[in-house]
Amino acid sequence: GESVGLHLPTLSVQEGDNSIINCAYSNSASDYFIWYKQESGKGPQFIIDIRSNMDKRQGQRVTVLLNKTVKHLSLQIAATQPGDSAVYFCAENTGFQKLVFGTGTRLLVSP
Amino acid sequence: GAVVSQHPSRVICKSGTSVKIECRSLDFQATTMFWYRQFPKQSLMLMATSNEGSKATYEQGVEKDKFLINHASLTLSTLTVTSAHPEDSSFYICSASERSADTQYFGPGTRLTVL
Repeated sequence: GESVGLHLPTLSVQEGDNSIINCAYSNSASDYFIWYKQESGKGPQFIIDIRSNMDKRQGQRVTVLLNKTVKHLSLQIAATQPGDSAVYFCAENTGFQKLVFGTGTRLLVSP
Repeated sequence: GAVVSQHPSRVICKSGTSVKIECRSLDFQATTMFWYRQFPKQSLMLMATSNEGSKATYEQGVEKDKFLINHASLTLSTLTVTSAHPEDSSFYICSASERSADTQYFGPGTRLTVL
């Protein structure tokens, strides 16, 4: 079936480093992608989104890159902070507002 | 803006009982609400999609008679887990979106434990 997957289950970085979290998607018809941050025991928190007519979008300390040729999505976090420690999910809008979530990457930031 | 609440945040019940979880959009009208289930260390899995005033659409493998969804108003959807069993223990999360909008705003989740 269609799926959105991640390459790294856990990413450990030092405070101040830049973090890159990757995601592969399989539905070439998807036109909207979102990154969510989920802290333990809480619901997902919207970070940034991108539509398929763009290949890059920047927010505050975060950048999302979309490569439609290889169906790859990445989230870059600049100057990672301990408060960034969480599980990050990419999600793909497969149509009719339905989201398919990736398996998630745990980001651990050491002070 | 775009705040979604859930109640209760945690619930413990005995096997065989029913549990109702509420999802509310606090500052916008949610024409569509979604219910997800998340097991420990796993991703979110969509259970059903509900549109205000119409029957919910369930994902494959989700029993509609066990997970009753009601979306009676533009700000409230409820999920009732009927005859709950220990295997229904999970983190249930709702999300809501405005009319024709792609962005989903998530609630804080409800931890259900069935003894």
